[in-house]
Amino acid sequence: NAGVTQTPKFQVLKTGQSMTLQCAQDMNHNSMYWYRQDPGMGLRLIYYSASEGTTDKGEVPNGYNVSRLNKREFSLRLESAAPSQTSVYFCASSEGQKMGSPLHFGNGTRLTVT
Amino acid sequence: GQQLNQSPQSMFIQEGEDVSMNCTSSSIFNTWLWYKQDPGEGPVLLIALYKAGELTSNGRLTAQFGITRKDSFLNISASIPSDVGIYFCAGQLPGYSTLTFGKGTMLLVSP
Repeated sequence: NAGVTQTPKFQVLKTGQSMTLQCAQDMNHNSMYWYRQDPGMGLRLIYYSASEGTTDKGEVPNGYNVSRLNKREFSLRLESAAPSQTSVYFCASSEGQKMGSPLHFGNGTRLTVT
Repeated sequence: GQQLNQSPQSMFIQEGEDVSMNCTSSSIFNTWLWYKQDPGEGPVLLIALYKAGELTSNGRLTAQFGITRKDSFLNISASIPSDVGIYFCAGQLPGYSTLTFGKGTMLLVSP
């Protein structure tokens, strides 16, 4: 099993460009998440989808949109990229909202905005 | 949002040494999870703790859910070079469906 797959692995954008980060999981998990990781800041939640058809804001949602396309796929869109969005983005999934369902992470998308 | 204070921020140790790191909060958590992130990869779950006082081992790793439910620690015994990485604690607050992450402990092991 692949687990959580993210594409692309690396991306460079110019300020103002848009792009969509793709994420798919093959574990039949209900919940999916997008995090960003910055040096010294740990993992910060951008958006999550508790179940197919629902999405909610996390800690740092500004400048991002998400789509839960189906149970497997959860995409993150940057409509107008800014240098402050340079980061490593991780998608994760979990079985659901039961107490402490562990997250399974993809290997990240490294995004640079110039 | 709620904060987890993870310490130390970084550690540089010799191979064979034991390591201890911890997470504390002013809030009570229902669940504590410990993850490891290897360079260039996503975090991977090491240990999950679901009950106050619970002590769980995974090979050379041991983690405990603090009795007050406000803290957790992770110990690594007899460290080896492949233990290098960033270790994250994460907790779930009562009534919340998402996890709160600590800022990580970077571990470097010298052969």
